[in-house]
Amino acid sequence: EAGVAQSPRYKIIEKRQSVAFWCNPISGHATLYWYQQILGQGPKLLIQFQNNGVVDDSQLPKDRFSAERLKGVDSTLKIQPAKLEDSAVYLCASSLDRFSYGYTFGSGTRLTVV
Amino acid sequence: AQKITQTQPGMFVQEKEAVTLDCTYDTSDQSYGLFWYKQPSSGEMIFLIYQGSYDEQNATEGRYSLNFQKARKSANLVISASQLGDSAMYFCAMREGGAGGFKTIFGAGTRLFVKA
Repeated sequence: EAGVAQSPRYKIIEKRQSVAFWCNPISGHATLYWYQQILGQGPKLLIQFQNNGVVDDSQLPKDRFSAERLKGVDSTLKIQPAKLEDSAVYLCASSLDRFSYGYTFGSGTRLTVV
Repeated sequence: AQKITQTQPGMFVQEKEAVTLDCTYDTSDQSYGLFWYKQPSSGEMIFLIYQGSYDEQNATEGRYSLNFQKARKSANLVISASQLGDSAMYFCAMREGGAGGFKTIFGAGTRLFVKA
């Protein structure tokens, strides 16, 4: 089966600019996660979707970050405006449902804010 | 307070030897799950092994085994017969949750270097 697809692979932007990341989960996976991984740290959950509804966005900085999962398949994570501290790898993962422990991760998008 | 603690930022192991990566956790839940993921330089997280809190036997997957000590709240990963391809970051993670579903939190990771 195809894995979790993410694009772009790398992105460099200036602070105060906006950026968007795209994720296509494994076909049939109802649950989608966005994680932020700052260099030297473990991934931190930003938002979790069940189909096209948000299950948990408690750690999403909502003043600048937004995410959507229209039609319950692909998802987009946006940052506007970006800050230097947003430099990180953004990982998308999916699972069959929110009770599954088998997450499949994508390769991530490495964002550098200068 | 940190819920997942990995105290070893970096570890070295000789090829073909075994290595143990430490992980301690903190939770008040009775039902939880513990995972180990590998993250090579390519960036993606690869699931290695899972242990449920009610599992009485330690989980094993090929060369990976999880040394689960519930009373001590530790879930160490043992890699036997290390290979050069095992050089990577390793993350311990814990799944907690309830009716709304599960949330998985990760430790800071341990970087493993396998020497030829």
